[in-house]
Parts: sequence; C-alpha cells; structure tokens
Amino acid sequence: NAGVTQTPKFQVLKTGQSMTLQCAQDMNHNSMYWYRQDPGMGLRLIYYSASEGTTDKGEVPNGYNVSRLNKREFSLRLESAAPSQTSVYFCASIRQGNSPLHFGNGTRLTVT
Amino acid sequence: GEDVEQSLFLSVREGDSSVINCTYTDSSSTYLYWYKQEPGAGLQLLTYIFSNMDMKQDQRLTVLLNKKDKHLSLRIADTQTGDSAIYFCAESRGSTLGRLYFGRGTQLTVWP
Repeated sequence: NAGVTQTPKFQVLKTGQSMTLQCAQDMNHNSMYWYRQDPGMGLRLIYYSASEGTTDKGEVPNGYNVSRLNKREFSLRLESAAPSQTSVYFCASIRQGNSPLHFGNGTRLTVT
Repeated sequence: GEDVEQSLFLSVREGDSSVINCTYTDSSSTYLYWYKQEPGAGLQLLTYIFSNMDMKQDQRLTVLLNKKDKHLSLRIADTQTGDSAIYFCAESRGSTLGRLYFGRGTQLTVWP
C-alpha cells in the first residue's frame, strides 16, 4: 500500500498564479486533512473533510479552497497565490475511532 | 489560539537517554501524540497515548502523561545517531480525531 500520496513534491509559483495540490489515500480512510508547516512552527490545520461530501475550515483557511472529490481524494486549491503561502503542505488521513493520523510526504511550495 | 509548548533544542550523547517535554492546553484532550520528522520528510507517528493512561512503553520509547499538570514527555532510551530529527508533540481536542494541535517541535541532536 502507498498510504497517503501527494503531488507534486515541489512547486514554484509567481504571485497571483493558481494551482491545485493533489492528495490521495488508499487505506479506505473516512477523514482527510490539509496542514501547512512553516519554518520553526508546528503544523496548522487549513481544511479538513470528516467524511466524503463534507468539508470544514481549520485554523488557517484564508486563501484556500478544498474539494473532497471522492473517498480517496482531497485536493487543496490556491486561487491567487501569495508569498505568505510559501510553506510545506501536508495531507493526512484517519479512520474513524481509535487510530492515528497518517501523513503524506508533503508538497514544498514557494511563491515568489 | 492555544499553544502546545515544547523546548526547541536538545543535544545528547549517543547511548544516553533523551527526554523531550511538552505541555498541552486542553484537559479534555483525548489523544496525545509524538511524531518524528527527518529532514525533507513527512511526519512519522512514533507513539500515542490515550488521555486516561499515565504511561505507555514501546521498545525504546516511554511516554509519560501527567494530566494534572498537562505535561507529556517522551523518553528515548539508548539514543542513537539515527534518532536525530525533529520531534513534535500534538494533542487532539474534541471529537474530530484528526484535528491535531502541534507544538513547534524539538530538534534532537545526537552526538557520537
């Protein structure tokens, strides 16, 4: 099993450009999450999807949109990228109940 | 928002024990986690403890939880150079298990 797969691994954008970060999990997990990690900081939650068909805001949702395309896939979209969105983005998933959060390897995004 | 606090740096000699400390904020937190992050990689779950437990041991890892003081610690016995990484403490609050609140991480350096 691949677990949680994120694409792309690296991306450079100019201010104002848009892009979509892709995430897919093959563990049949119900809930999926997008976090960002800034230098010297812990991870902060951007958006999450507790189940297929639902999405909710986390701590830092401004400037982002999400789509839970199906049970496997949860995408994060930046409509108009800003330098403040330079970060490492992690997707994660979890089964309901007593189980840990599984992370992907991250997408390193630079906005110039 | 409320902060999960960790010391930023810890250096130990190979073969010694390492103790990484964390204070969390929410006395109703259900699970508390320790994640390890190596350079350029995602987060690897090391261990987690349910809030009604005081201690959990898993091979070289021992987690101690003091709910009264909201203090969590991770002890790594016989620390090796391969243990050098950033260690994140995280707490889950409420019923959304994947919605975690992270500390800033402790950079553990192991000297040969």
